[in-house]
Amino acid sequence: AQSVTQLDSHVSVSEGTPVLLRCNYSSSYSPSLFWYVQHPNKGLQLLLKYTSAATLVKGINGFEAEFKKSETSFHLTKPSAHMSDAAEYFCVVSGTNDYKLSFGAGTTVTVRA
Amino acid sequence: NAGVTQTPKFRVLKTGQSMTLLCAQDMNHEYMYWYRQDPGMGLRLIHYSVGEGTTAKGEVPDGYNVSRLKKQNFLLGLESAAPSQTSVYFCASRDGQRNTEAFFGQGTRLTVV
Repeated sequence: AQSVTQLDSHVSVSEGTPVLLRCNYSSSYSPSLFWYVQHPNKGLQLLLKYTSAATLVKGINGFEAEFKKSETSFHLTKPSAHMSDAAEYFCVVSGTNDYKLSFGAGTTVTVRA
Repeated sequence: NAGVTQTPKFRVLKTGQSMTLLCAQDMNHEYMYWYRQDPGMGLRLIHYSVGEGTTAKGEVPDGYNVSRLKKQNFLLGLESAAPSQTSVYFCASRDGQRNTEAFFGQGTRLTVV
């Protein structure tokens, strides 16, 4: 079985400051890990994915995430937040032999001007 | 490419009515999924399919049925709608290769009164 825990339900940052969204996972197999973003009243868009290649993964819009097996974490970061980053973010895990994707509960990001 | 298209985008049902949500993908993906999204709960898997003619139950299948008669289409049915099924429904598709990401539709907002 696999699961994801997003450690913060809500994160508020000032524009231009760093963003950190925390995600811990559990998986019986070598996992694939994803971060998705959902803007209000929109579908989900892939930000980045980890699939057992480089542990530091770069995504779209300046986001990156680091896979740490020893900590079972896949935290998402961005050096400088922009107003357009205000959205909900989901951490997602898929096991090696599993068709299913398991979602975290989501983290809502608010960006203050 | 249209990607993943959901029909309809909005619907209001009375308790006890039935309806079918249609999901169509044009990427020749093997896997298709139906999720529901409720505040603070992330996305929960209702049913999924790993190929034409096959379906399986997810985390919250009660009150829903699905069919995958054609590879490109995945239908979600509500036989007798209940207020607890008020939610936003997302369809997703995914290639059959391991480690691939899912592509999502824009969602269907369903209200049951």
